[in-house]
Amino acid sequence: EPEVTQTPSHQVTQMGQEVILRCVPISNHLYFYWYRQILGQKVEFLVSFYNNEISEKSEIFDDQFSVERPDGSNFTLKIRSTKLEDSAMYFCASRKSVWDSNSPLHFGNGTRLTVT
Amino acid sequence: KNEVEQSPQNLTAQEGEFITINCSYSVGISALHWLQQHPGGGIVSLFMLSSGKKKHGRLIATINIQEKHSSLHITASHPRDSAVYICAVFIITGNQFYFGTGTSLTVIP
Repeated sequence: EPEVTQTPSHQVTQMGQEVILRCVPISNHLYFYWYRQILGQKVEFLVSFYNNEISEKSEIFDDQFSVERPDGSNFTLKIRSTKLEDSAMYFCASRKSVWDSNSPLHFGNGTRLTVT
Repeated sequence: KNEVEQSPQNLTAQEGEFITINCSYSVGISALHWLQQHPGGGIVSLFMLSSGKKKHGRLIATINIQEKHSSLHITASHPRDSAVYICAVFIITGNQFYFGTGTSLTVIP
């Protein structure tokens, strides 16, 4: 079964550094998402992406964050200048359709980001 | 803002027990997702439903749109069912899911 893949699985970075988290969604999916989960807390929405543009973003997704789909397969999340509070598990997800209630979210295995 | 509440937060059961996890939400939704998160962190989709009931193996999910409530049932629970179960509701106008805090299930042999 096709799956969403994320790399790296774990990223350690120093405060103030830029990080890029990479995702390859399922190939025939059209809707892409980034979520984060701080340790011990619930999953939080960051951003949704469709047709090469952001369709919705949360208040967490400030100017330090950006997303790109540079080549039609990869979907990246960039954090320009990381802060300690950015330490979390970041999940990429994709979905074939938003109009079909039987179209589930498919999650990657996540990237654990540790900011020191 | 949509609030998604799950109960209970933690649940310990003996192997073989019937388990129910509840999810309530506060606004109209297009669909509801039940997800399973394993200790390693990976998230797996169990069900997506917008009405009625769905069954897959020992898992059953129901939703009552009028009451804004869904339940996930596990029959004949097994230690491998131990995980965090998360309810997420989808609101199409914002193209986003709102997640509950999860129910941590431990099934003891």
